[in-house]
Amino acid sequence: SQTIHQWPATLVQPVGSPLSLECTVEGTSNPNLYWYRQAAGRGLQLLFYSVGIGQISSEVPQNLSASRPQDRQFILSSKKLLLSDSGFYLCAWNPLDRGANYGYTFGSGTRLTVV
Amino acid sequence: QKEVEQNSGPLSVPEGAIASLNCTYSDRVSQSFFWYRQYSGKSPELIMSIYSNGDKEDGRFTAQLNKASQYVSLLIRDSQPSDSATYLCAVPSGSARQLTFGSGTQLTVLP
Repeated sequence: SQTIHQWPATLVQPVGSPLSLECTVEGTSNPNLYWYRQAAGRGLQLLFYSVGIGQISSEVPQNLSASRPQDRQFILSSKKLLLSDSGFYLCAWNPLDRGANYGYTFGSGTRLTVV
Repeated sequence: QKEVEQNSGPLSVPEGAIASLNCTYSDRVSQSFFWYRQYSGKSPELIMSIYSNGDKEDGRFTAQLNKASQYVSLLIRDSQPSDSATYLCAVPSGSARQLTFGSGTQLTVLP
């Protein structure tokens, strides 16, 4: 069966510090991968998605970046965090070879607080 | 800009009642629709998907889709306190089937 791992679960970082969040998927190949952010009391905002190794699409311009160095690994990074980067970061995947009628599976999320 | 709108809530219902959650979407070509449940502090969990006009039932959950009206709803029968959560409607679009989510409706089931 497929599983998605996301870490760390919680993170407190000072303003201006770097960030690296990692997400890996097991039990599948060639997944579509996604990074979302959910600010406190707000909806889910799509940040990045990837349909293959090295292929990254950005939905929202900001000081975050994403990379996909391996088929089942998706990394979210920042060189210098802002207070506004605080939120709940969620990684998700769905199968590349299924039709549109297949929803995402989310990881357990990383709660980031920038202080 | 594709939009997904949900009734703002919060919604409170007594235990055993039917909870009705509603969602409208702007993209007429959307073909599939998803309902996610998110408990406080947790990640969203897929609970229902629907692709065809009409009703789809899964246990106590029924999803209803009306493509002509661009409207999708979720009914929860015999609501339980454990159903208390935020319910998110989502619609896919784009080459990678990116999901656009509504802002969510917070449901509280009162014992």
